[in-house]
Amino acid sequence: GAVVSQHPSRVICKSGTSVKIECRSLDFQATTMFWYRQFPKKSLMLMATSNEGSKATYEQGVEKDKFLINHASLTLSTLTVTSAHPEDSSFYICSARGRESNTEAFFGQGTRLTVV
Amino acid sequence: GQNIDQPTEMTATEGAIVQINCTYQTSGFNGLFWYQQHAGEAPTFLSYNVLDGLEEKGRFSSFLSRSKGYSYLLLKELQMKDSASYLCAVMAKAAGNKLTFGGGTRVLVKP
Repeated sequence: GAVVSQHPSRVICKSGTSVKIECRSLDFQATTMFWYRQFPKKSLMLMATSNEGSKATYEQGVEKDKFLINHASLTLSTLTVTSAHPEDSSFYICSARGRESNTEAFFGQGTRLTVV
Repeated sequence: GQNIDQPTEMTATEGAIVQINCTYQTSGFNGLFWYQQHAGEAPTFLSYNVLDGLEEKGRFSSFLSRSKGYSYLLLKELQMKDSASYLCAVMAKAAGNKLTFGGGTRVLVKP
């Protein structure tokens, strides 16, 4: 299957700082990327959908100004958690889909964020 | 909106068979996915069903009935490494072909 690389895999940051997470499709053009958040022993909750070259579409209850998403190219999307708080600590996962909208989306390895 | 239900936990013995059910309600159904997720890792793709019937892939099979809004994932010849969470996800045109995940089923394989 296709490869999606997410970086970093783990990050610890201080409260009030910002953290950027990258999601790259290595061998295909990702026209759509999805960002999820997962709490321990819970399922994936979609945060936002980003299409290359356009603004991200956020799910209800997700703060746009806090979780900044940029999808500047067909192989890279970034999620920036701004002014991080301990409650933002979570597992963040991206997935990417190619041009055919009904094909599977491939997941990155996930990023474990801990805010101290 | 979409509603996806699957059992929270299941326990089975090594070498046995386990069936994980998933029921869903959605409009504009456009496919159902099963993923495996080990603790602390990202989900990995197992199967995709868009037409009724059974799809077999090695020890794993997935079944879909669109009229009943029902799917199951069948794991045969269970191995200890199969202990993981199994996520049912539905794609719907009405939701822009985004994936909506069920709560996941934690499967524990015992010796």
